[in-house]
Amino acid sequence: QKEVEQDPGPLSVPEGAIVSLNCTYSNSAFQYFMWYRQYSRKGPELLMYTYSSGNKEDGRFTAQVDKSSKYISLFIRDSQPSDSATYLCAMKPAGNQFYFGTGTSLTVIP
Amino acid sequence: DTEVTQTPKHLVMGMTNKKSLKCEQHMGHRAMYWYKQKAKKPPELMFVYSYEKLSINESVPSRFSPECPNSSLLNLHLHALQPEDSALYLCASSPAGFTDTQYFGPGTRLTVL
Repeated sequence: QKEVEQDPGPLSVPEGAIVSLNCTYSNSAFQYFMWYRQYSRKGPELLMYTYSSGNKEDGRFTAQVDKSSKYISLFIRDSQPSDSATYLCAMKPAGNQFYFGTGTSLTVIP
Repeated sequence: DTEVTQTPKHLVMGMTNKKSLKCEQHMGHRAMYWYKQKAKKPPELMFVYSYEKLSINESVPSRFSPECPNSSLLNLHLHALQPEDSALYLCASSPAGFTDTQYFGPGTRLTVL
């Protein structure tokens, strides 16, 4: 079993839709959770970084962590064509090693 | 400023060449990382330096040789690579505290002929 599971998609939505991206994990030592956005042939860009269970909001993005279910989500409101990218979840225990999901490819259709 | 820079942006090399990838950050971060990323795959960890010492080596072939000359710089020396080593090579840095996240550079697109 992989440490981090993420549905690779692809996911295609119309502009303005609410997008829900999800990851599950098996390692209860994971304490820190991140979402990265990666455009084609570019480096990953940090979108959200959370620690505790609950919600964290930043503009159109909301990150949700449920440690009891080992489940994290990223919601994108009012999706835009510029949101079309691959979204990677990542997580880590205390320490320097990060564990990535496989990424979900998102296309927002104008 | 959360910028990590990488040079070159693109590199084409033959299997007998020796080349180096460079990464730089001026955020005072004390952990630096090399990742390899193939198309449609997540980044795959290669090396981690913490306080300029190699702390993680994910069983990477010796044709890849990392170097951390100081706290701001990270190099990846390449020699006798294979075509399957063609990939996007990403550098990242982190403040190195146990609660810290990491920031990626734009990557070097490497093609081995």
